[in-house]
Amino acid sequence: NAGVTQTPKFRILKIGQSMTLQCTQDMNHNYMYWYRQDPGMGLKLIYYSVGAGITDKGEVPNGYNVSRSTTEDFPLRLELAAPSQTSVYFCASSPRQGAKDTQYFGPGTRLTVL
Amino acid sequence: KQEVTQIPAALSVPEGENLVLNCSFTDSAIYNLQWFRQDPGKGLTSLLLIQSSQREQTSGRLNASLDKSSGRSTLYIAASQPGDSATYLCAVNLSSSNTGKLIFGQGTTLQVKP
Repeated sequence: NAGVTQTPKFRILKIGQSMTLQCTQDMNHNYMYWYRQDPGMGLKLIYYSVGAGITDKGEVPNGYNVSRSTTEDFPLRLELAAPSQTSVYFCASSPRQGAKDTQYFGPGTRLTVL
Repeated sequence: KQEVTQIPAALSVPEGENLVLNCSFTDSAIYNLQWFRQDPGKGLTSLLLIQSSQREQTSGRLNASLDKSSGRSTLYIAASQPGDSATYLCAVNLSSSNTGKLIFGQGTTLQVKP
């Protein structure tokens, strides 16, 4: 049981490039989340999903897109990368009802946009 | 809009001390409150989850309390050890949503000196 895995661990992008951050969980959790964490700050929610085929915006969705075709995978797409997207990105998942259960976090992807 | 604040931003104590970390939130309509630990370069690990109907939760040397009416939570760490050095984040789950969306504080970085 690997929990929540994220790839890549590190990435450097040039302004205007695109990339997909991968997130996979093997716990059969319905709820999945993407957060970003800027230096010295707490985490902010980008997008979330309550099940396969269902996604919704969080607090800071601009510049990102998501999809949820399977229960296990929740990729985050960056289109036209900008320096403001330099951050550490965390994926998380939660079992049954998101509000009642704790969230399990992946190790993060550190992204730099130059 | 719900805001979560943690004070102090950083704390350094000698080994063996008992210490308290503080978390405050502006909207008392929360579903639950969680405390997380984050080690450098790692993801978040859930420490304690307090439901809105509870006053406190305990796990080993950790005790978290919740006072909804005053918008405060504290994390008490007894007999601190160097291994407790990490960043501690609190997060609230809004009662208006059952999707588990968390609002995080900025965190308190704790250093326990041997």
